[in-house]
Amino acid sequence: AQRVTQPEKLLSVFKGAPVELKCNYSYSGSPELFWYVQYSRQRLQLLLRHISRESIKGFTADLNKGETSFHLKKPFAQEEDSAMYYCALTGRGSTLGRLYFGRGTQLTVWP
Amino acid sequence: NAGVTQTPKFQVLKTGQSMTLQCAQDMNHEYMSWYRQDPGMGLRLIHYSVGAGITDQGEVPNGYNVSRSTTEDFPLRLLSAAPSQTSVYFCASSPGGGRSAGGGELFFGEGSRLTVL
Repeated sequence: AQRVTQPEKLLSVFKGAPVELKCNYSYSGSPELFWYVQYSRQRLQLLLRHISRESIKGFTADLNKGETSFHLKKPFAQEEDSAMYYCALTGRGSTLGRLYFGRGTQLTVWP
Repeated sequence: NAGVTQTPKFQVLKTGQSMTLQCAQDMNHEYMSWYRQDPGMGLRLIHYSVGAGITDQGEVPNGYNVSRSTTEDFPLRLLSAAPSQTSVYFCASSPGGGRSAGGGELFFGEGSRLTVL
């Protein structure tokens, strides 16, 4: 069965420090992975998807099929990065009715 | 451009009461869905629809009904509210029938906070 695990419920770093939000998954087919973010008083929104291989707001995430991970990284955290981050998984070509979210990691960046 | 609009934003119900959470989108998206967000549980899919007249169950459908008579609207009905349904509810839509190959991006509403006493 598919599963998304975000082992850290809370994560705190200081401004300028590197940050890594962990996401591990289990899926028997070809996965597609996403990171969604919810800033305070804002709507949940897509941050990035692995198929795009893009960097958004300085964040990157690489799909590691060997370790079944899709960790979100940023070399220098900013206070405005404080938010709730969700990792999400579906199967390639599948519908979003089979999009599964992790439990989320609340990131706090201290000044 | 309103995007996904949910009403009401807040609601308090008594156990056993029924109500409908409204969701409307003006982006002509085929795919619409309802999630509930609970502390420590993340987002869990309740029901979804890949187009008008088509609905399907998600991960936690019990106690909820949906219908999709138009592309724009996807209401969520609580038939007999229970305290376990206290949660924040999110409606989300996506283009391309909700196929992940279409980009897989969900557009969310602002959420509806429901408390069942």
